[in-house]
Amino acid sequence: RKEVEQDPGPFNVPEGATVAFNCTYSNSASQSFFWYRQDCRKEPKLLMSVYSSGNEDGRFTAQLNRASQYISLLIRDSKLSDSATYLCVRSYSGAGSYQLTFGKGTKLSVIP
Amino acid sequence: NAGVTQTPKFQVLKTGQSMTLQCAQDMNHNSMYWYRQDPGMGLRLIYYSASEGTTDKGEVPNGYNVSRLNKREFSLRLESAAPSQTSVYFCASSSWGGAGGYTFGSGTRLTVV
Repeated sequence: RKEVEQDPGPFNVPEGATVAFNCTYSNSASQSFFWYRQDCRKEPKLLMSVYSSGNEDGRFTAQLNRASQYISLLIRDSKLSDSATYLCVRSYSGAGSYQLTFGKGTKLSVIP
Repeated sequence: NAGVTQTPKFQVLKTGQSMTLQCAQDMNHNSMYWYRQDPGMGLRLIYYSASEGTTDKGEVPNGYNVSRLNKREFSLRLESAAPSQTSVYFCASSSWGGAGGYTFGSGTRLTVV
């Protein structure tokens, strides 16, 4: 079983809609979680960290549920520029390093 | 601009040829990483270097070697390229603890024919 699993989508939503992505993870030793955004043929870029208490950055809200081992990303008032692939990421520390494990990504297309 | 710089951006190799992908970061990060990204597979870790002077295998190290030349530079070498190594390669760096996540380079698109 892949350590981080996401619905690949695509999610096709109209402008202004609210869309939510979920991601499940299998390793309870995971320390931190992130959402990355990757535009077509570009490198991944950090969107936001995910905290148990939930965190918000403008139209984006991320939530972590350790008991159920899932994280979520909510995007409100979707913009055309939100079209991208969203990567769910978990981190862990061990063997002298800090490593990230990436999900395969969820593709979002925001339609005019 | 501060960040992670990868060269080359594009490369076509014949089977059996060798090449080195270069990566340099100017953010004073301790750790550096090489990933490959293939359709439907996501990002997979090839090798990483937790700090200057150390390197370790990741999930898919076969067919690759790395060198952490100094704190700034981390290179990836393909000794005898194979078509299965056709991929997009990303270098990344992070501070120890990674509170800020990874910063990625813009990638190298490699095709092996």
